[in-house]
Amino acid sequence: DVKVTQSSRYLVKRTGEKVFLECVQDMDHENMFWYRQDPGLGLRLIYFSYDVKMKEKGDIPEGYSVSREKKERFSLILESASTNQTSMYLCASRPQGDGGYTFGSGTRLTVV
Amino acid sequence: QQQVKQSPQSLIVQKGGISIINCAYENTAFDYFPWYQQFPGKGPALLIAIRPDVSEKKEGRFTISFNKSAKQFSLHIMDSQPGDSATYFCAASYRGGADGLTFGKGTHLIIQP
Repeated sequence: DVKVTQSSRYLVKRTGEKVFLECVQDMDHENMFWYRQDPGLGLRLIYFSYDVKMKEKGDIPEGYSVSREKKERFSLILESASTNQTSMYLCASRPQGDGGYTFGSGTRLTVV
Repeated sequence: QQQVKQSPQSLIVQKGGISIINCAYENTAFDYFPWYQQFPGKGPALLIAIRPDVSEKKEGRFTISFNKSAKQFSLHIMDSQPGDSATYFCAASYRGGADGLTFGKGTHLIIQP
C-alpha cells in the first residue's frame, strides 16, 4: 500500500525553537508539497519541490524553509517557531506528468 | 485574493438525498479541477477530477459538472450515505497540479440517517 508518512502526529514546541517536520513517500514520486490547514482557511501551499535539491515557494513561504536531499524525503523547517505557526501541516506527493496528490495524515503542531 | 471560492461551508443532507457542493474560480489558466475528501484525523484523499475539455465526469455516485464559460464546477453526490460524512475540498491548478493546488475553504458535509 503506497503511502506518505509524516514522522510526528503531534508536536508541541516553544516559541523561538527551530522545528523540523519530516515527510517520506514510498511511491518514487518526483513532486512533493507542504501545506498547512487551518479551520475556515482550507489548505494553503507553503513550499513544493519538483525533484531532489529543487524547491519553489508556494503562497505562504514566510517563516518556513525546506530541504530535499533525497527523492523520497521532503522536510519542512520552521527557523524560529512562532505561535501563529500553530497549525496542521500536511505533506503530499505526486508523480511527474499527471496524477492526483497522495497526502500524509498530517502533523498537528502547537507552538507555545 | 481567493482564487477558488467554495460553498456552502456546511451542508446537512438526508440519507439517500443528493449532496451538491459548488466552486467558482477566477484564473482562466487553470486546467485541472480535483475534489478531495477528508475524514477527521486523516489527510485529504482524491475523489474525482476533471479537465476543462469535458463538461461532466462521473465515477460511481460522484459526479463533477463543469461550466467553463461561468468558471464554475460542482460536485454531486447521489444517494448520499452516512459514510459520505466528511469535509470536501475543491481545488484548481495549472499543469495538472505540478505547481501545487489552490484549494477552496472546504465544505463540512453531514449525512443524517
